[in-house]
Amino acid sequence: KQEVTQIPAALSVPEGENLVLNCSFTDSAIYNLQWFRQDPGKGLTSLLLIQSSQREQTSGRLNASLDKSSGRSTLYIAASQPGDSATYLCAVISGTYKYIFGTGTRLKVLA
Amino acid sequence: GAGVSQSPSNKVTEKGKDVELRCDPISGHTALYWYRQSLGQGLEFLIYFQGNSAPDKSGLPSDRFSAERTGGSVSTLTIQRTQQEDSAVYLCASSPGGLANVLTFGAGSRLTVL
Repeated sequence: KQEVTQIPAALSVPEGENLVLNCSFTDSAIYNLQWFRQDPGKGLTSLLLIQSSQREQTSGRLNASLDKSSGRSTLYIAASQPGDSATYLCAVISGTYKYIFGTGTRLKVLA
Repeated sequence: GAGVSQSPSNKVTEKGKDVELRCDPISGHTALYWYRQSLGQGLEFLIYFQGNSAPDKSGLPSDRFSAERTGGSVSTLTIQRTQQEDSAVYLCASSPGGLANVLTFGAGSRLTVL
């Protein structure tokens, strides 16, 4: 059974810092991994999708890496801003078509 | 439509009543998912549709929960005889289908059972 863990559960940093969010999964037989952000009271917004054959994806100040063999992904946020404050979730999908989500990292960027 | 639409955005109901939650996916998206998010919890998978069929209903918590999808488009999640533990945000998502596609979520339906 696939399990997805995100560390840390919460993170508070001053504006401008670079930071790394971690996601680990127990079954390496995944097809892709997605990172999402969720603002309070809102749905999820997709940030980056990494297919199993890829090692990383970049979008603006965000960079996500994937190491399937070790069951890990990291989301790197450069030069953090208060607007980055949100909960960040990772999700993996395998042959069942079911996305399994981690419990998220609550990020607060202080002005 | 431009995005995934869910209605109602908020629903307050009394214990024992039935509720229907609606999801209108992005036009042309063949895959549709329902998830539940309880306060402070992660996303719990409920059901997945490919077209109008539901190959995976494994996440439905009990037989009080059912879902259907018609015309390969709109989906309805029905909860019968609601209980207080059903209170949560119900999220719908769609994708073009296949395993390499981005999942797009709606804003959710917040259900409160008194």
